[in-house]
Amino acid sequence: EDKVVQSPLSLVVHEGDTVTLNCSYEVTNFRSLLWYKQEKKAPTFLFMLTSSGIEKKSGRLSSILDKKELFSILNITATQTGDSAIYLCAVSYNTDKLIFGTGTRLQVFP
Amino acid sequence: DAGVTQSPTHLIKTRGQQVTLRCSPKSGHDTVSWYQQALGQGPQFIFQYYEEEERQRGNFPDRFSGHQFPNYSSELNVNALLLGDSALYLCASRRTGSGGYTFGSGTRLTVV
Repeated sequence: EDKVVQSPLSLVVHEGDTVTLNCSYEVTNFRSLLWYKQEKKAPTFLFMLTSSGIEKKSGRLSSILDKKELFSILNITATQTGDSAIYLCAVSYNTDKLIFGTGTRLQVFP
Repeated sequence: DAGVTQSPTHLIKTRGQQVTLRCSPKSGHDTVSWYQQALGQGPQFIFQYYEEEERQRGNFPDRFSGHQFPNYSSELNVNALLLGDSALYLCASRRTGSGGYTFGSGTRLTVV
């Protein structure tokens, strides 16, 4: 059965800390892995990864995919209170639908 | 440029009733997918519409049905509501052949 597992489930840090969120997957006919940030309702797109070993960066956020070991990490450096959210990892495969993990709830305190 | 628009934002229904949720995709997008997100869980795929047809379906019963209109907007219908149908229902759209989906803010459905 296709599945996406995220860890940790919850994380509490102080502003300025660096965090690493993990996502592992077991999916046949993998196409891409996506990261979303969900603050209130609408998940907002962060990254889409299709190739192994190529880091994607956006400001203080970065992500990389390992297709051999079937996992991805999302790094956030110098965290801010505005980074508090649920971070969702999703995998798409040849049928185009997204399979989501349960998410990691990040809380950043001043 | 409006993103994905969903209505209503909140809804309270009684068990056994029927509900219709609506979604207008982002401009230029032609594929619409619906997801159910229960509290504390990731979104679960319900179905996807393209060219006014259901192209894929997740593990949801036939009580869940949908429709896509010529202007690419979509509806999700749920019949014979159960307490367990209480969730955030998310609509996501994209342009066929492009990258990630854009999500709407969702409809929070509460069944009492």
